[in-house]
Amino acid sequence: IAGITQAPTSQILAAGRRMTLRCTQDMRHNAMYWYRQDLGLGLRLIHYSNTAGTTGKGEVPDGYSVSRANTDDFPLTLASAVPSQTSVYFCASSDSRGSDTQYFGPGTRLTVL
Amino acid sequence: GQNIDQPTEMTATEGAIVQINCTYQTSGFNGLFWYQQHAGEAPTFLSYNVLDGLEEKGRFSSFLSRSKGYSYLLLKELQMKDSASYLCAVRDEDYQLIWGAGTKLIIKP
Repeated sequence: IAGITQAPTSQILAAGRRMTLRCTQDMRHNAMYWYRQDLGLGLRLIHYSNTAGTTGKGEVPDGYSVSRANTDDFPLTLASAVPSQTSVYFCASSDSRGSDTQYFGPGTRLTVL
Repeated sequence: GQNIDQPTEMTATEGAIVQINCTYQTSGFNGLFWYQQHAGEAPTFLSYNVLDGLEEKGRFSSFLSRSKGYSYLLLKELQMKDSASYLCAVRDEDYQLIWGAGTKLIIKP
């Protein structure tokens, strides 16, 4: 593994189903983030984690949950998917929340029908 | 509210120079970032400004004026591979990144 990986690359999901997007980093970064990117809008922060064991809500947290059991992994769960959650989801990490640079994973394209 | 404004789309010619502007209104300021994002790919870091002035990095330069809430990204000697979206982001007083919608840059031969 080099950097940040996300899985799956893409997914089509029926409304009402539960889905977990996976994110793993091997840079030993303390802070991790989940964004969604929609056409015509900037990246919007869903949830973040400053360090293992802690999480916080971003700009658009409703309908999503996260956990940070260890430094490397930061899964995002949609408990009951709705069509408005159709988007491209990016996971990112940085050395710390106040650090200069966030590094992004390749993204997951999710379609909820 | 917090707001980042960038032009939606710009077109330039290969070999030329282009300037992409970004204006911001945020609660506090702890730095401004520029990222490049090719279609279907992840954003990648280009530059970071926290003090007023120009930061130069090869063909790319970024300028910041905190008093005016203004930044620009300058791309010189444009190449076809520079066709991408350029994202401006400001880190606010809570150290959260606020993102602009991005500027799609189209390079023509």
